[in-house]
Amino acid sequence: NAGVMQNPRHLVRRRGQEARLRCSPMKGHSHVYWYRQLPEEGLKFMVYLQKENIIDESGMPKERFSAEFPKEGPSILRIQQVVRGDSAAYFCASSPGTGLYNGYTFGSGTRLTVV
Amino acid sequence: RKEVEQDPGPFNVPEGATVAFNCTYSNSASQSFFWYRQDCRKEPKLLMSVYSSGNEDGRFTAQLNRASQYISLLIRDSKLSDSATYLCVVNSGNTGKLIFGQGTTLQVKP
Repeated sequence: NAGVMQNPRHLVRRRGQEARLRCSPMKGHSHVYWYRQLPEEGLKFMVYLQKENIIDESGMPKERFSAEFPKEGPSILRIQQVVRGDSAAYFCASSPGTGLYNGYTFGSGTRLTVV
Repeated sequence: RKEVEQDPGPFNVPEGATVAFNCTYSNSASQSFFWYRQDCRKEPKLLMSVYSSGNEDGRFTAQLNRASQYISLLIRDSKLSDSATYLCVVNSGNTGKLIFGQGTTLQVKP
């Protein structure tokens, strides 16, 4: 049973380009969470999705950032017109539901570098 | 006020020492509590859940005080391999969203 799979592991983009980060949850998990970790900072919640629904996007920047979790395929975090301040590690986690007795399982993350 | 607050440290201790980390949370509706461990900016990994009755896993003991909204982690007989950042994690009210503290850095030295 593969864990949470994120790709790519490392992504380099020039300012103004688009970045697409993918996350495949663990088998049987229907809830996906995205977190961002800026250099020397803690993990900050961005968005919580279930299949085809955004449940909570209170941590998403108002512009340039969007997320989806389609019926088929991985969850995608999309950053348009990237800026240097978007350079960070982006972690995805999944869970089978809202019962959190076992916490989340995280993917290995995508390290985005904007040059 | 941050939802989850931790002393960032660093805590520098010799091998074999006992070290304790503390954490406070602001949302009294929170129901689930965890300690995670993060190594060198890798993904966080669940260390243990925290229950009101307290729980122990080998050298690690976690305690929860709901009245004071306070969580602790005790590590006994520290090993070099315990060097990492320890993250206090609390769910946000009744939601599935987890809120992470800034993390406390532990460095165990020979």
